[in-house]
Amino acid sequence: EVVLTQSPATLSLSPGERATLSCRASQSVSTFLGWYQQKPGQAPRLLIYDASNRVSGIPARFSGSGSGTDFTLTISSLEPDDFAIYYCQQRTNWPPELTFGGGTKVEFK
Amino acid sequence: QVHLVQSGAEVKKPGSSVTVSCRASGGTFSTSAICWVRQAPGLGLEWMGGIIPVFGTTNYAQNFQGRVTITADESTGTFYLDLKSLRSEDTAVYYCVRAGELGSAYSADYWGQGTLVTVSS
Repeated sequence: EVVLTQSPATLSLSPGERATLSCRASQSVSTFLGWYQQKPGQAPRLLIYDASNRVSGIPARFSGSGSGTDFTLTISSLEPDDFAIYYCQQRTNWPPELTFGGGTKVEFK
Repeated sequence: QVHLVQSGAEVKKPGSSVTVSCRASGGTFSTSAICWVRQAPGLGLEWMGGIIPVFGTTNYAQNFQGRVTITADESTGTFYLDLKSLRSEDTAVYYCVRAGELGSAYSADYWGQGTLVTVSS
C-alpha cells in the first residue's frame, strides 16, 4: 500500500506570500497524483490532476510539480480565499485504488 | 455538468448497517469510477472503494474488505454504498465522487454534497 506523507502539517502565512506544500509517496506513483482544497463544511475541490495539470477554472497561482515520489503544490501569492486544508491523492493498481495524504492546513499568520 | 445528489443523514446503532445512495446526472462517465470517500469529524479523507460502471468492476480498500459493498443501478444512474457492522468509529461524512475522467490519477473532479452517518447507542 502506498502511503502519502504531507508536510508541513500546518503552514502559517500571510496574504501575498508564497505557499509551498509537499507530498511524498512511499513508493513511485509516476505522475498519478492529484491535489485538492477543502474549506470548512465543504466537500474537497480538485485543483491539480496528474501532478501538474490545473483543472479548468482554477487560478493560475496554483501549480503542481513532481513525479515519482516527491510532489509539490505551490500557491504563488496567497489570496484570502486560499486559506484552507490541502490534500494530495494518488492511485495505484487496476482497478484503481486511491489513497490520500493527511493534509496540510494553510492558516493565517 | 455532472451532479451527484446523495441521500440524507442517518443515525444508526452499533452493529447495524447503513445504505447511502448517490444519484448521478449529466456529464459522461466513459471509464471513470464512482467512488466513496469518507471523512470522520476533524480528520482527513479516506477512500473506501469504487465501481467502474462501464466495466462492472468493483474494488475496496483493505480496511473495509468484508464490511462494504458498492453497487450501481444503471437504469436510474444511482449508486449505493452499503456498510455493515457499524461501530462508533464509522461516524463520518460519506461522499460519493466521480473519479478518473481527468487524466490517469483517477482524481475526483465531482463530489456529492456528503451524507453524515452517526453511529451511536
